[in-house]
Amino acid sequence: DAGVIQSPRHEVTEMGQEVTLRCKPISGHDYLFWYRQTMMRGLELLIYFNNNVPIDDSGMPEDRFSAKMPNASFSTLKIQPSEPRDSAVYFCASSLGQGGEKLFFGSGTQLSVL
Amino acid sequence: AQTVTQSQPEMSVQEAETVTLSCTYDTSESDYYLFWYKQPPSRQMILVIRQEAYKQQNATENRFSVNFQKAAKSFSLKISDSQLGDAAMYFCASSPPAQGGSEKLVFGKGTKLTVNP
Repeated sequence: DAGVIQSPRHEVTEMGQEVTLRCKPISGHDYLFWYRQTMMRGLELLIYFNNNVPIDDSGMPEDRFSAKMPNASFSTLKIQPSEPRDSAVYFCASSLGQGGEKLFFGSGTQLSVL
Repeated sequence: AQTVTQSQPEMSVQEAETVTLSCTYDTSESDYYLFWYKQPPSRQMILVIRQEAYKQQNATENRFSVNFQKAAKSFSLKISDSQLGDAAMYFCASSPPAQGGSEKLVFGKGTKLTVNP
């Protein structure tokens, strides 16, 4: 398996624009997670899915953020409208199961909002 | 709520020597999992080692081992025979067991490890 695949690797956009980040989890993994990494706040869990259903979105910072998982092999994280404070690295990760299962991370998307 | 604290923002070690990275955590759970993840400059997060809290024996993976002190809620990572490729950010993390399908992995802020040749 190719691992968790994220696209794009880098995204530069202007304030107010819509940004869509994409993720393909490892086949067979039931859990998918979206994390955001910044220098100030470290790694924060934004939302996670189990069998394509959002389980906990309490980490989503505000209504400008939304995430979907239309099928087991694809998820998106959308920011609309984007703001400079959204600049961060966004990671997608997937795992087989619960609790102590190993997370497999994608390479992340470096987002810069000017 | 779980918290994970890494008190050393940066550490350095000479190649071939041993270094220990500190981590403390706080949880009300009686059972949980602890992890160390490595993030090299490539940005990819890679699992280094995992410990199940109900197991008293410290986990080891080749040159990597942990010192798990459950009563003290301490989970340090020891890297023996350090190599240049060990240079990275290291994140300690804690996760509760599954409870009704709701579980979260909480990360510390990380320790940047430099390996000097």
